[in-house]
Amino acid sequence: EADIYQTPRYLVIGTGKKITLECSQTMGHDKMYWYQQDPGMELHLIHYSYGVNSTEKGDLSSESTVSRIRTEHFPLTLESARPSHTSQYLCASSAGGRAADTQYFGPGTRLTVL
Amino acid sequence: AQKITQTQPGMFVQEKEAVTLDCTYDTSDQSYGLFWYKQPSSGEMIFLIYQGSYDEQNATEGRYSLNFQKARKSANLVISASQLGDSAMYFCAMREGQGGSYIPTFGRGTSLIVHP
Repeated sequence: EADIYQTPRYLVIGTGKKITLECSQTMGHDKMYWYQQDPGMELHLIHYSYGVNSTEKGDLSSESTVSRIRTEHFPLTLESARPSHTSQYLCASSAGGRAADTQYFGPGTRLTVL
Repeated sequence: AQKITQTQPGMFVQEKEAVTLDCTYDTSDQSYGLFWYKQPSSGEMIFLIYQGSYDEQNATEGRYSLNFQKARKSANLVISASQLGDSAMYFCAMREGQGGSYIPTFGRGTSLIVHP
């Protein structure tokens, strides 16, 4: 069973607020990812990391930023939330970057920006 | 171009029947991995099954099996003896090296509803 955690699970905030979505994993995985997903729709990769001090932008243009100071922690920050940021955010990790490495997902954060 | 194509936006199946969810992929890599995930209404993504491009046998995990046809570039998920709890979104994904740096690509998903 995967051990990857996300907090908060649900968040409702007003426009312009700064928010940080937390993601932690206890599996010692090097690679971590953030996806954005609207209900019932495909996943869009917004950020990923190969390891400590490594961060890359994904396919979807995003106004968020990430950091990777510790292997187990990969927080996502929105400096100024907007209604267009309303979505589900999924964090995932994998042991490495090979074809066979399975991604394990956290439970997700459902964000609503009013 | 879509790397992963799931052509069935929605599928319906009777409880205890088998169902096949389609997935085709596009890659020029020799080494790649194919995955299926289940996403219930709670939102979490649950890993179901993995198939490697060099695996000669179709992968199986309990009631899940992957019908891997390499020449057709298809990796269909077969769920046998459907249960009500199988109602969910199902996503096919691929990891490839060339041009993809092993970053997974997901399809748009198929919604499965199991009727009693």
